[in-house]
Amino acid sequence: DAMVIQNPRYQVTQFGKPVTLSCSQTLNHNVMYWYQQKSSQAPKLLFHYYDKDFNNEADTPDNFQSRRPNTSFCFLDIRSPGLGDAAMYLCATSRDVSTDTQYFGPGTRLTVL
Amino acid sequence: AQSVTQPDIHITVSEGASLELRCNYSYGATPYLFWYVQSPGQGLQLLLKYFSGDTLVQGIKGFEAEFKRSQSSFNLRKPSVHWSDAAEYFCALSGTYKYIFGTGTRLKVLA
Repeated sequence: DAMVIQNPRYQVTQFGKPVTLSCSQTLNHNVMYWYQQKSSQAPKLLFHYYDKDFNNEADTPDNFQSRRPNTSFCFLDIRSPGLGDAAMYLCATSRDVSTDTQYFGPGTRLTVL
Repeated sequence: AQSVTQPDIHITVSEGASLELRCNYSYGATPYLFWYVQSPGQGLQLLLKYFSGDTLVQGIKGFEAEFKRSQSSFNLRKPSVHWSDAAEYFCALSGTYKYIFGTGTRLKVLA
């Protein structure tokens, strides 16, 4: 089945220690999104890639970076995690931006000690 | 302004009872609307979507939603709730290039 895969499902890191979260997709979608979701809140868009074009949300901290080496993979790098970065990180894909359906992965739960 | 409002933060229903979750939107053009469900510790699963056409949309797991332009609403319904439906439900609107989510409704199901 075509799907969105996130690894790892659970990640524990130490305060200030860089961490990378991974997302892959078999849907061959052009767009990949990264969301941050804190407890009992809606997902908050951090950035998205349309093909190789990176689009950052205005309020996304510089501490968050992303890479998309190919169509299938996208990475979220947190350069110096703080306690406030503990959250669920969701990856999603869609064929196009604007109006198209987004398909979400299972998420990575990040804990910062 | 573009916005999605889910007025009910929490809803509790008994198993077997009917369910309606409310969603109101504000958007200047024809909206593209979605309902997602999120079980604890999981990602978002698409229940159904409305793009155009028939205003009553059928989804997975026995859910349906009705688009009412005059009321700017897209309410989610299920005739008989199962214990496994306990989860968080998000209504979303597809904006210019990204989703606008409601704040979610947490559903609790009593046995």
